[in-house]
Amino acid sequence: GEDVEQSLFLSVREGDSSVINCTYTDSSSTYLYWYKQEPGAGLQLLTYIFSNMDMKQDQRLTVLLNKKDKHLSLRIADTQTGDSAIYFCAEIGLNAGNMLTFGGGTRLMVKP
Amino acid sequence: NAGVTQTPKFRVLKTGQSMTLLCAQDMNHEYMYWYRQDPGMGLRLIHYSVGEGTTAKGEVPDGYNVSRLKKQNFLLGLESAAPSQTSVYFCASSYGTAEAFFGQGTRLTVV
Repeated sequence: GEDVEQSLFLSVREGDSSVINCTYTDSSSTYLYWYKQEPGAGLQLLTYIFSNMDMKQDQRLTVLLNKKDKHLSLRIADTQTGDSAIYFCAEIGLNAGNMLTFGGGTRLMVKP
Repeated sequence: NAGVTQTPKFRVLKTGQSMTLLCAQDMNHEYMYWYRQDPGMGLRLIHYSVGEGTTAKGEVPDGYNVSRLKKQNFLLGLESAAPSQTSVYFCASSYGTAEAFFGQGTRLTVV
């Protein structure tokens, strides 16, 4: 099956930028997503990018997509303690039967 | 608008017991999913449904059954629970391949 990989952990200081990276194998990906999970809660969609785009900006969030390298990143500007959570990369594509395939999640810790 | 509601939120089962997890959505979504979340492994798809009366296997279907008798409900059953099924279970729904909305999760422990 298709695979989505993320690093497990990222620690930053409040006010710094955070960059969370993701790689995937599905060459037929149509949409790529970033979800946020706060402790004890379900997943909430943060942002998404269509596969024919290479960048999307939404307030403090910037998504970069390198389709050639199958690399997706999420940059959070001016990271706040409230951004501490687990961030999941996910993709949907024909090779995976149009089902969401999730990465293992990156735990972001923001230090005051 | 409740979105996606899962019941129960917590459950402890003994090995061999059975139970059913209920997922209800009020957004008239066609697609519904059951995932399990284990540390460091992200979410893995157990079963899914693309419409009332239809179900299909996901990545990790063994030991689980599902039913979608009504469009708004998707049930996940464990016929004979095993410790390996200790996990957090998430239900989600979506309109086609658009944004998936998740429930709050069910924490299941099998002892």
